[in-house]
Amino acid sequence: GENVEQHPSTLSVQEGDSAVIKCTYSDSASNYFPWYKQELGKRPQLIIDIRSNVGEKKDQRIAVTLNKTAKHFSLHITETQPEDSAVYFCAASRRGYQKVTFGIGTKLQVIP
Amino acid sequence: DGGITQSPKYLFRKEGQNVTLSCEQNLNHDAMYWYRQDPGQGLRLIYYSQIVNDFQKGDIAEGYSVSREKKESFPLTVTSAQKNPTAFYLCASSISTGEYGYTFGSGTRLTVV
Repeated sequence: GENVEQHPSTLSVQEGDSAVIKCTYSDSASNYFPWYKQELGKRPQLIIDIRSNVGEKKDQRIAVTLNKTAKHFSLHITETQPEDSAVYFCAASRRGYQKVTFGIGTKLQVIP
Repeated sequence: DGGITQSPKYLFRKEGQNVTLSCEQNLNHDAMYWYRQDPGQGLRLIYYSQIVNDFQKGDIAEGYSVSREKKESFPLTVTSAQKNPTAFYLCASSISTGEYGYTFGSGTRLTVV
């Protein structure tokens, strides 16, 4: 089955700096890679996703990049703000497959 | 709750009791899921359902049961066979399985007393 590794497990950055979270996956057939943000005590929310037919996708201060050859994808947050502090989960899945595989999560702390 | 509602928000269970967690969605999604979240362990899949009257075990199904009698509803029962049920339980739904994002409910925090 699919295996998704995520790192780092914790990340502290100064407000205004950039943050990068990286994930690798094992199943070369995976073609959908969502990212979820979970604030303390709340539900995870989908913040951005990318499909295997594109290499990069941006939405304001967040972007995701995908390298299919190396089987890794990354979340980039620029100009970080205190409200970006949360746990971020990457995931991988593929067409026709019932389950999504999540990474272990990265706890991001933005220091004012 | 963004179209998917979990209740109750907090639940306390005595040893040996079965309890049922409710999950209802009005998003017209076919697929529904139950995850368990423990500190430092990410999201672990308990059960999932692709369509009405069908469901499959996830990675940690022992001690849990589900039903999917209606498209909108996917209740989870935590049975007395689940030896360590204290956790945060999240229900999710998606348009279908595979390459679609999830909408999560707000969660139920279950505590054994």
